[in-house]
Amino acid sequence: DAGVIQSPRHEVTEMGQEVTLRCKPISGHDYLFWYRQTMMRGLELLIYFNNNVPIDDSGMPEDRFSAKMPNASFSTLKIQPSEPRDSAVYFCASSLGTGGTEAFFGQGTRLTVV
Amino acid sequence: SQQGEEDPQALSIQEGENATMNCSYKTSINNLQWYRQNSGRGLVHLILIRSNEREKHSGRLRVTLDTSKKSSSLLITASRAADTASYFCATAEQTGANNLFFGTGTRLTVIP
Repeated sequence: DAGVIQSPRHEVTEMGQEVTLRCKPISGHDYLFWYRQTMMRGLELLIYFNNNVPIDDSGMPEDRFSAKMPNASFSTLKIQPSEPRDSAVYFCASSLGTGGTEAFFGQGTRLTVV
Repeated sequence: SQQGEEDPQALSIQEGENATMNCSYKTSINNLQWYRQNSGRGLVHLILIRSNEREKHSGRLRVTLDTSKKSSSLLITASRAADTASYFCATAEQTGANNLFFGTGTRLTVIP
């Protein structure tokens, strides 16, 4: 398996624009996580899915953020409208099983909102 | 915050020396994991220690866990320049939920 695949790797957008980040988890993994990493706040869990169903979205910062998982092999994180403070590296990770098993991370999407 | 905290925030050592990083957390856990992140890359899982374990080894890595003190340590022996990276601890809560809470990380620099 190629691992968790995220796209794009880099995104530069203007404030107010819609941004969509994409993730393909490892085949067979039933958990998918979206994290955001910044120097100030470290690595924050935004939302996670189990079998395509959102389980905990308490980390989503505002209504401008939304995430979907239409099937087991694809998830999106959307920011609309984007703001400069959304600039960060966004990671997708997937794992198999329950009880906090090993998470496999993608390479991340570096988002810059100007 | 449910996040753990690593100590020190940054560590610089000479190649061949041992590096020790510590992690403190707040809740009752199912397991604790250590991850490594190279600059500009995603996190990579290193080792997992369960709440009923006190010590675990993997190659040059040694992890200890003290649940009474809610703390863990990661020891890297005979460090190499290639070990330069940020290291994070992550906790899985005893509730059985599958989300992981990551600490703030230790930036390790190994000088050749």
